[in-house]
Amino acid sequence: AQTVTQSQPEMSVQEAETVTLSCTYDTSESDYYLFWYKQPPSRQMILVIRQEAYKQQNATENRFSVNFQKAAKSFSLKISDSQLGDAAMYFCAYRSAWQGGSEKLVFGKGTKLTVNP
Amino acid sequence: ETGVTQTPRHLVMGMTNKKSLKCEQHLGHNAMYWYKQSAKKPLELMFVYSLEERVENNSVPSRFSPECPNSSHLFLHLHTLQPEDSALYLCASSLGQGGDTEAFFGQGTRLTVV
Repeated sequence: AQTVTQSQPEMSVQEAETVTLSCTYDTSESDYYLFWYKQPPSRQMILVIRQEAYKQQNATENRFSVNFQKAAKSFSLKISDSQLGDAAMYFCAYRSAWQGGSEKLVFGKGTKLTVNP
Repeated sequence: ETGVTQTPRHLVMGMTNKKSLKCEQHLGHNAMYWYKQSAKKPLELMFVYSLEERVENNSVPSRFSPECPNSSHLFLHLHTLQPEDSALYLCASSLGQGGDTEAFFGQGTRLTVV
């Protein structure tokens, strides 16, 4: 079974600064997807960024980028120019590439990010 | 707004009550899920439905009973719950075709069992 570990229960960053959230995972599969989801106080889980294991290039979405190290099974999220609206719980998630009719996710415990003005 | 709507947003129920959680999606997705989110724990997958058939039940107690009458609606029927069942229950949906696709989540139902 796959597992996802987020070793930082809480992180804080100053507004406009950069912060990196860590995630490691364990799997024996060669093809899979990795995701970072954001859950603000509204509780709506929103996709921030995703990465396919077969793609060597790290994904980027505006101020959000990942550092995907497949051999090390590491998938960290970097948030640049942090904004007050980035404050939320961030969850790292894993999904097998082929599941036969579903896209179920395995989640880490989450990292609570605080952005200080 | 992700296109997945859950009702009610909050629910308080006694251990002898029967209640139901509702989830609705109009994204044309074929797969729907129930996740349980408890404090300090990873989200736990409870049930998976694909094309209205239950394809996964992760050892969930029988006091939780899912129902998927059509591809747009998913219910979670609750009866004789325990205080440790208090949690945020999240519904999600996805295409169900694999590949480069994502799951969309509702805002959850905050359940408190008293």
